[in-house]
Amino acid sequence: AQKVTQAQTEISVVEKEDVTLDCVYETRDTTYYLFWYKQPPSGELVFLIRRNSFDEQNEISGRYSWNFQKSTSSFNFTITASQVVDSAVYFCALTSGTDKLIFGTGTRLQVFP
Amino acid sequence: GAVVSQHPSWVICKSGTSVKIECRSLDFQATTMFWYRQFPKQSLMLMATSNEGSKATYEQGVEKDKFLINHASLTLSTLTVTSAHPEDSSFYICSARDPGGATEAFFGQGTRLTVV
Repeated sequence: AQKVTQAQTEISVVEKEDVTLDCVYETRDTTYYLFWYKQPPSGELVFLIRRNSFDEQNEISGRYSWNFQKSTSSFNFTITASQVVDSAVYFCALTSGTDKLIFGTGTRLQVFP
Repeated sequence: GAVVSQHPSWVICKSGTSVKIECRSLDFQATTMFWYRQFPKQSLMLMATSNEGSKATYEQGVEKDKFLINHASLTLSTLTVTSAHPEDSSFYICSARDPGGATEAFFGQGTRLTVV
């Protein structure tokens, strides 16, 4: 069975702090894809990144970076120099090509000025 | 990225009435769309997979007679909540994958349903 675990329910930081959101996944498939989505208070899901199981290179996009480690089945997300606008719920998700996305329970990030 | 439009963004209806939610892929054809439900402060739970031209595939525990899904064209899927009750109040969100592209799932804006 596939599973995504986001152990951090809620994180609070002060602006300009760095913050890392953890994601641990379980799957028996050798080919799979991992995602991160941002859900601001308005509710829509904003796609942030997709990573396939054969690409373990870390990725950086502006203040966002992702660390994918197959050895620990983790796909962690770091926001550098956080801003108030980063406040949202962040979801990690997994699919193995069956087209179903399996979501974690989400991490609520609050960034205070 | 691909655009998925969902309408309405919010709706309030009386108990016992039916509500239809539309999910459209605006710049691509989506043979498969997905409907999720999200309770406050909880994760997204897949309700059903909507397949163009065929019956939807429902997840275990989802009443197919209550949540009617129609995917009549490659750009439109609809979810109808029939005989709505207050416990159906929730956030419903659809997604679609561009079959010609990568595996990203693009989501609509979501619909907040309140049944009074």
